[in-house]
Amino acid sequence: SQQGEEDPQALSIQEGENATMNCSYKTSINNLQWYRQNSGRGLVHLILIRSNEREKHSGRLRVTLDTSKKSSSLLITASRAADTASYFCAAQGGKLIFGQGTELSVKP
Amino acid sequence: KAGVTQTPRYLIKTRGQQVTLSCSPISGHRSVSWYQQTPGQGLQFLFEYFSETQRNKGNFPGRFSGRQFSNSRSEMNVSTLELGDSALYLCASSVLSGGAVNTEAFFGQGTRLTVV
Repeated sequence: SQQGEEDPQALSIQEGENATMNCSYKTSINNLQWYRQNSGRGLVHLILIRSNEREKHSGRLRVTLDTSKKSSSLLITASRAADTASYFCAAQGGKLIFGQGTELSVKP
Repeated sequence: KAGVTQTPRYLIKTRGQQVTLSCSPISGHRSVSWYQQTPGQGLQFLFEYFSETQRNKGNFPGRFSGRQFSNSRSEMNVSTLELGDSALYLCASSVLSGGAVNTEAFFGQGTRLTVV
């Protein structure tokens, strides 16, 4: 399968804690993107990190990329109940290849 | 600016029938990609169209086909439906083809297809 892998598959934390999700991919990439999905609805783009970047921040999100290890991580700081969703990484070479996703549950 | 619109939102079909799903991209976006999402297989890439030409194709049987019109609207067709085709079908649009530049994809809400 071309799909990447994400871990953990599920993560449950308390509000205010940080959440870290990891992603590994198999192909050469132009960039690595992270998306969020609420309850089987459409995906919402969160952040894009280019292959020549190592770290990127956007609000409470921090993304790292290690192309030598073909891996990325997404950190959500000071999580909120509204962050509860599934999070997917997507590696873009010629097309977007998605990981299996991490289900994040943030308890109030 | 209107987002990506997929119609219909829900669909129930019988095995052996065929189905056509529609996707209207964001105005000005020329690339449309289709994905199948199931609990077991996750998000799987079906195909991408750019300027009415198929640019990329995933590993799906020939029963799955698509096309793109001159106004960038796209349709996906599945013939001879099987129970395993039950899934959420997502369409995504982007400004340019995914193979060319670093572009983010904007997703529609999806069409939930149930095959009985």
